[in-house]
Amino acid sequence: AQSVAQPEDQVNVAEGNPLTVKCTYSVSGNPYLFWYVQYPNRGLQFLLKYITGDNLVKGSYGFEAEFNKSQTSFHLKKPSALVSDSALYFCAVRLDNSGGYQKVTFGIGTKLQVIP
Amino acid sequence: SAVISQKPSRDICQRGTSLTIQCQVDSQVTMMFWYRQQPGQSLTLIATANQGSEATYESGFVIDKFPISRPNLTFSTLTVSNMSPEDSSIYLCSVTGSNTEAFFGQGTRLTVV
Repeated sequence: AQSVAQPEDQVNVAEGNPLTVKCTYSVSGNPYLFWYVQYPNRGLQFLLKYITGDNLVKGSYGFEAEFNKSQTSFHLKKPSALVSDSALYFCAVRLDNSGGYQKVTFGIGTKLQVIP
Repeated sequence: SAVISQKPSRDICQRGTSLTIQCQVDSQVTMMFWYRQQPGQSLTLIATANQGSEATYESGFVIDKFPISRPNLTFSTLTVSNMSPEDSSIYLCSVTGSNTEAFFGQGTRLTVV
């Protein structure tokens, strides 16, 4: 079984400050890890992913995430938050694709509120 | 990347009726996925739809309640049957790109009254 935990329902940060949205995962094997963002009344948009290689991955809109295997974490970060970053963020995990399709499991989501 | 058009974007339906949601992809894909996102909750996979075969349903979801069609490699429908207020949710269509990440339609916000 695989699972994703996003321990914070909501994260508040002042505009211009760095932000972190936390994610930990559990999977029996090598993980593929993803972050998605959902704006109001919209579908999910892909932000970034970790498959293999460098533990620090960079994605859209200045976001980055660090894969930490020992802590089974994949926290989303941004050096300077914008008001327009306010949205719902989902972390997701799946097993690697060597055996074909694998089911994706999503976290419960973290609401990011950037305060002007 | 894949562009997914999903419709309707929202609907308000009477209990006991059915709603069919359509999902059109701009490229051919083997698998299409249907998710439910209930208020304040994460995405829950309803079923996986392969072209030319019956959909595979996740635990807690049955074909009689959520029949799915997959007539070709770019199109799928999900029907929510005999609706009750508990079916009020956002329903999302998704495909997986060649680079492993998923792409989503804009979702259908369903309210059952």
